[in-house]
Amino acid sequence: GQQLNQSPQSMFIQEGEDVSMNCTSSSIFNTWLWYKQEPGEGPVLLIALYKAGELTSNGRLTAQFGITRKDSFLNISASIPSDVGIYFCAGQLNSGGSNYKLTFGKGTLLTVNP
Amino acid sequence: EPEVTQTPSHQVTQMGQEVILRCVPISNHLYFYWYRQILGQKVEFLVSFYNNEISEKSEIFDDQFSVERPDGSNFTLKIRSTKLEDSAMYFCARRLEGGTDTQYFGPGTRLTVL
Repeated sequence: GQQLNQSPQSMFIQEGEDVSMNCTSSSIFNTWLWYKQEPGEGPVLLIALYKAGELTSNGRLTAQFGITRKDSFLNISASIPSDVGIYFCAGQLNSGGSNYKLTFGKGTLLTVNP
Repeated sequence: EPEVTQTPSHQVTQMGQEVILRCVPISNHLYFYWYRQILGQKVEFLVSFYNNEISEKSEIFDDQFSVERPDGSNFTLKIRSTKLEDSAMYFCARRLEGGTDTQYFGPGTRLTVL
């Protein structure tokens, strides 16, 4: 099946710093999604990207859908303590059916030091 | 955003017992998904369910697993004879008909098999 490589695995930063993480795939996706997960909770959608080359922002978060459709990055600017959590990328390939299943990366654990 | 609720939030069971996990959408969705996340690992696709039928399932979703929507509302995941390795968080996700490809996740059920 499709595999996503997400990096870095973890980051430990100071409050106020900018953060960048990315995902790459050996095959293409139609949609890239970025989720944040906090302990004991489900993934919460942050940003959805639907077209190659698309650059989308959500507050301090910016994400881009790579032009090759095989990668995506997420940037967080001016990090704050509540940004702590695990960030997952997820790719979706609509095969023309009704499945739309998501393939997840292994996550980036972000720790922000106040 | 439209939400789903999941019950129970935590289920503890003995190996070999049957468990039923429930997903209750707030509004009338047609597309449902179950995902699993073993502690510390990535989220993995189990099965997608569209128009009251399984549309795709992963290799994890073996004969021990089944899904149904018995009353047209609740969407259930049944594990017939639980194994120790079934211990994980189980997430229900839904997608709106006619909407984007975006999937929204429930808070999850933590299953512990002893």
